[in-house]
Amino acid sequence: EPEVTQTPSHQVTQMGQEVILRCVPISNHLYFYWYRQILGQKVEFLVSFYNNEISEKSEIFDDQFSVERPDGSNFTLKIRSTKLEDSAMYFCASSEAYRGYYNEQFFGPGTRLTVL
Amino acid sequence: RKEVEQDPGPFNVPEGATVAFNCTYSNSASQSFFWYRQDCRKEPKLLMSVYSSGNEDGRFTAQLNRASQYISLLIRDSKLSDSATYLCVVNHPGTASKLTFGTGTRLQVTL
Repeated sequence: EPEVTQTPSHQVTQMGQEVILRCVPISNHLYFYWYRQILGQKVEFLVSFYNNEISEKSEIFDDQFSVERPDGSNFTLKIRSTKLEDSAMYFCASSEAYRGYYNEQFFGPGTRLTVL
Repeated sequence: RKEVEQDPGPFNVPEGATVAFNCTYSNSASQSFFWYRQDCRKEPKLLMSVYSSGNEDGRFTAQLNRASQYISLLIRDSKLSDSATYLCVVNHPGTASKLTFGTGTRLQVTL
């Protein structure tokens, strides 16, 4: 069964450093997403991406964040200057073609980001 | 009022029991509804979409009540492997791509 994959599984970084989280969405999917989950809290939407541009973003997704699809398979989330409060599990998700409102999203295993 | 509200539990049930979870959502303009399950420190996994007519998948039945703005999940004949956190998920009104998650209801199935 096709899966979303993410690398690395765990990233430790110093405050102020840049990090890039990588995802390979399911191959025939066209919509890509990033979510985050701070330990003990709910999953929160960050951004959605379609046709090489951001389609929606949340208030969390400020200028420190950016997304890119550098090639035909990878989808990345960059955090320019990490803060302590960026420590969380970051999930990538993807969904196939738009089917009304029922865009079933499939999640990758996540990257645990720890900012020291 | 929270956008998506769930009883955090935990629900402790014996194997074979039937258990039901409810979830309420605040915005009547929401259009799509899902149940995901999440194991400890793992990713959310789609369990089922919830349609207006209700739907069933094996031991799992989901219902939607738009008038009261609640969604339910019924699990029959619980298995040990059903132990997880069940997340109620609703689309943000006006968009299909932004999902709003509840905090989840924890289920522990015991022998």
